[in-house]
Amino acid sequence: DTAVSQTPKYLVTQMGNDKSIKCEQNLGHDTMYWYKQDSKKFLKIMFSYNNKELIINETVPNRFSPKSPDKAHLNLHINSLELGDSAVYFCASSQGLAAATQYFGPGTRLTVL
Amino acid sequence: QKEVEQDPGPLSVPEGAIVSLNCTYSNSAFQYFMWYRQYSRKGPELLMYTYSSGNKEDGRFTAQVDKSSKYISLFIRDSQPSDSATYLCAMSEDFRYFQGAQKLVFGQGTRLTINP
Repeated sequence: DTAVSQTPKYLVTQMGNDKSIKCEQNLGHDTMYWYKQDSKKFLKIMFSYNNKELIINETVPNRFSPKSPDKAHLNLHINSLELGDSAVYFCASSQGLAAATQYFGPGTRLTVL
Repeated sequence: QKEVEQDPGPLSVPEGAIVSLNCTYSNSAFQYFMWYRQYSRKGPELLMYTYSSGNKEDGRFTAQVDKSSKYISLFIRDSQPSDSATYLCAMSEDFRYFQGAQKLVFGQGTRLTINP
């Protein structure tokens, strides 16, 4: 059983489009995260939800809107995609706010043409 | 200056060698220190974490933290080709002393290749 899963795995789209990425975890965790990993492998936190409440909201363009329908799911919607949005987006989860042990999904590779 | 600095490599060593991976940091409030391993086209997986200073050993892996020098290391003994991956250090402040969630700050990652 996959602990943290993401769909889709690959996403290729045109500039200006709107797209969504979905994440699900079956670990029973109550905290979920979105990270962006750029071409130089820098992994940076974007958002975090704890029990469906937004608790981390880094300096991210408001074209990015996360949504957590329940503790096991965290989605990321991106409006008006730009070339600079091309990256790998990782979802992660942890139990509670102690983020030392986070479990990552396989990533969604987004390419904006 | 980035909060966490890590040499991206690449680093290539023969099988069986001892590998040393390092990170330096500037934020003296960091208390949790983690090492993640990331295989190509996969998500990072937690290898080890340490709270505050000291050493921690797990099989062939040893993590060291020197807070006075703001320097952490990961040693891999008897390295195997299956250890070939990118190793990311990550750090965070102690979440018990502030409101909100604990944020991990990652280094750039060091790409390691173990040659058979």
